[in-house]
Formats: sequence, C-alpha cells, structure tokens
Amino acid sequence: AQSVSQHNHHVILSEAASLELGCNYSYGGTVNLFWYVQYPGQHLQLLLKYFSGDPLVKGIKGFEAEFIKSKFSFNLRKPSVQWSDTAEYFCAVNAGRSGGYQKVTFGTGTKLQVIP
Amino acid sequence: EAGVTQFPSHSVIEKGQTVTLRCDPISGHDNLYWYRRVMGKEIKFLLHFVKESKQDESGMPNNRFLAERTGGTYSTLKVQPAELEDSGVYFCASSRGQGLNSPLHFGNGTRLTVT
Repeated sequence: AQSVSQHNHHVILSEAASLELGCNYSYGGTVNLFWYVQYPGQHLQLLLKYFSGDPLVKGIKGFEAEFIKSKFSFNLRKPSVQWSDTAEYFCAVNAGRSGGYQKVTFGTGTKLQVIP
Repeated sequence: EAGVTQFPSHSVIEKGQTVTLRCDPISGHDNLYWYRRVMGKEIKFLLHFVKESKQDESGMPNNRFLAERTGGTYSTLKVQPAELEDSGVYFCASSRGQGLNSPLHFGNGTRLTVT
C-alpha cells in the first residue's frame, strides 16, 4: 500500500521568504505525484503534478516541485512566498500504471501561514 | 463552467442520528468521487462512481455509509447511524474521464460534526 509523509504540519514564514515543504512517499513502482492546495474557504486545487519526464515540474503561482526517485521525495518549493500563499498544502501519490488522478493517497497536509 | 457543489457546508448532528450529504458534480462529468478527512489526518478515498455505477467502494469505512448516484447526476452519501468518529470533512470530486488528461475538480467539502 502507498503512504505519504508530510513532515511539516504547520509552517510560518514572512513574506519574501523561501519555501520548501517536504513530501516523502512509500511505493516501489512507478508513481504519479501531485501537490494540491486549499486556500481558506475554497476547494482543493491542483498546484502541480508529475507523471513522467523532467523531474522538475513547474506549477501555478510560481510553485515547483522536484521528484527525486532515489529519495522517494517530491518536495514543493517557492523562492519567495506571498501573503496570498497562506493555505493548506497536500502531497498525494498514486500508482503510475493504475490511473491518472484517481484514488490518490494524500498526506496529512501542511498549513502554511505567511506573515505580511 | 460551474464547479462541484456540496451541500450542506456544515452539519452538526448527535450520535445515532442520520445525515445525508449531497454532491453535484460538474455537468458532463461521468466520474464522481467521495473522500473524507478526519481531523488532522490525511484525506482518504471513499468511493468512485462512473455514471450511476459504483466502480470502486473499497474506501467505505463500514455499512453505516451508503452512497448513491441515481441517474448518474448528483450523488448522496448517507451516514446512518452516525458515530463520533464519523466527524470530519467530506469532499466530493468529479472528472470527465479517468486518464491523465482528466484532472479532479473538488467541491468545498461538507464539515460534519457528530456530538
């Protein structure tokens, strides 16, 4: 069975600080990897995804993530955060051959608070 | 296009009562999913409909949970009787297809509190 670990439960940063949220997964085969974001009062939205190819993927709003297969990691980064990035971030994984976005395994989420 | 809508946004019920959650997917989306997040834990898959058929209900916790999607449009998730551990946020999502070109569109969720 797959599992996802997000080590940071709550992160507080000042505006313009750099962000890196950790995500490690356990699954031995080919994987699809996702980061979702939930802004306060809004629905979950896809931030970025990795299916194959270049392990450095760029998403919306200046976010990027790097898939490091040897470390089973898919950390999320942003060079300079803004107050509007305050949200909860979820890493997710599913088995690559069994589907695209469906039946993913989510991590427990990381709450990011950006202080102006 | 209108997004996935869920009703109600919040529900507070007593242990032993029944609650029905509703999800209206995006029009034309044959695939509908239910997920649940118990407080502070991960979001977990509950089940997947393709049109009116349950394709995968492996995540349903027990037989107190009943999901339906009559006519292949909106879906309901009934909890009867509700227990304290059923508290959490219930998310619905829909997609047009099932492949890599069919991303999930999530609703805002229903926060269920069982007291």
